[in-house]
Amino acid sequence: GAVVSQHPSRVICKSGTSVKIECRSLDFQATTMFWYRQFPKQSLMLMATSNEGSKATYEQGVEKDKFLINHASLTLSTLTVTSAHPEDSSFYICSARVREHEQYFGPGTRLTVT
Amino acid sequence: GQNIDQPTEMTATEGAIVQINCTYQTSGFNGLFWYQQHAGEAPTFLSYNVLDGLEEKGRFSSFLSRSKGYSYLLLKELQMKDSASYLCATLDSNYQLIWGAGTKLIIKP
Repeated sequence: GAVVSQHPSRVICKSGTSVKIECRSLDFQATTMFWYRQFPKQSLMLMATSNEGSKATYEQGVEKDKFLINHASLTLSTLTVTSAHPEDSSFYICSARVREHEQYFGPGTRLTVT
Repeated sequence: GQNIDQPTEMTATEGAIVQINCTYQTSGFNGLFWYQQHAGEAPTFLSYNVLDGLEEKGRFSSFLSRSKGYSYLLLKELQMKDSASYLCATLDSNYQLIWGAGTKLIIKP
């Protein structure tokens, strides 16, 4: 199956700093990638849909100026959490869409803001 | 509105069979997925149903009834490693995944 990687797998940062998370499709090209956030004991929440070469589409309630998404190539999308605060601590997961009904998930990034 | 319901938690015994139900109401329907998620890890794909009926894949089977807005995941010969959360998700008219809250399955020896 298709492989999606995320980097870093874990990151601890201080409040007020920015953190960049990379999502790569390793053996396929993905015009669409998704970014999810998952708080403990809750389901995945879609944050935004990232399309290569165009602006990301953010879900209601997600601040686009705080969560910057760049999908510069068919194999890479990045999520930057700007001015991170403790409430942004969460598990961030990306997925890449191969076909309309086929998505592959990255392993996730655990962000802890102190 | 869009809504997916599944039980919060279930307990079963090693070697037994368990059925996890999922009911859904979504705007448009392009299929239903079941994913397995172990704590601290990303979801992994288990099954995809878009037509009515039962899809069997080894110890796991998934059933769909579109007219009833209902699906279930059947796990046979349970093993301790099957302890995980099982997420039901539908693909809506925009081909976006709509997620249920997940069912935490606890396997006891």
